[in-house]
Amino acid sequence: QKEVEQDPGPLSVPEGAIVSLNCTYSNSAFQYFMWYRQYSRKGPELLMYTYSSGNKEDGRFTAQVDKSSKYISLFIRDSQPSDSATYLCAMIEEYGNKLVFGAGTILRVKS
Amino acid sequence: DAMVIQNPRYQVTQFGKPVTLSCSQTLNHNVMYWYQQKSSQAPKLLFHYYDKDFNNEADTPDNFQSRRPNTSFCFLDIRSPGLGDAAMYLCATSREGYTQYFGPGTRLTVL
Repeated sequence: QKEVEQDPGPLSVPEGAIVSLNCTYSNSAFQYFMWYRQYSRKGPELLMYTYSSGNKEDGRFTAQVDKSSKYISLFIRDSQPSDSATYLCAMIEEYGNKLVFGAGTILRVKS
Repeated sequence: DAMVIQNPRYQVTQFGKPVTLSCSQTLNHNVMYWYQQKSSQAPKLLFHYYDKDFNNEADTPDNFQSRRPNTSFCFLDIRSPGLGDAAMYLCATSREGYTQYFGPGTRLTVL
């Protein structure tokens, strides 16, 4: 079993839809949770960063962490074709030095 | 803008011919990382520097070496590239080892 599980998709949605991307994990020591967006042939771009459980909102993006369920989510409201990319979840322990990535979910937003 | 810069963006080399990839950062972060990413896969950590301390991942081949002459620069040396080393190489930085910021990557082709 992988430490971090993420559905690779692809996930196809119409423009304007609400998108939900999710990851589950097995290591209860993870404390920092990140979402990266990666366009084709580019480096990952940090979107959201959350410490421990809770919600964080930034514009059209909302990150949620539920440590009791070992489940994290990224919601994208009013999705745009420019949101089409691969979304990687990543997490790290409190005093860890290694970021553990999910496999990435391919998102396609159709106009 | 503070950023992570990688050069070159595209590198073509011949089988067995040594190659060096470079990374520089203006974020003044103390930790620098090198990742290898193959198509449709998550980034795979090769090694990282925590300040001047070098940390090699157990499964990183000996063919891969790194140098960090100062805080701002880090190099990835591939001594004898094989066809299986063709990939995107990503440099990332962080302050104290948590949230990581990635460069745009160098795409390596081995002929």
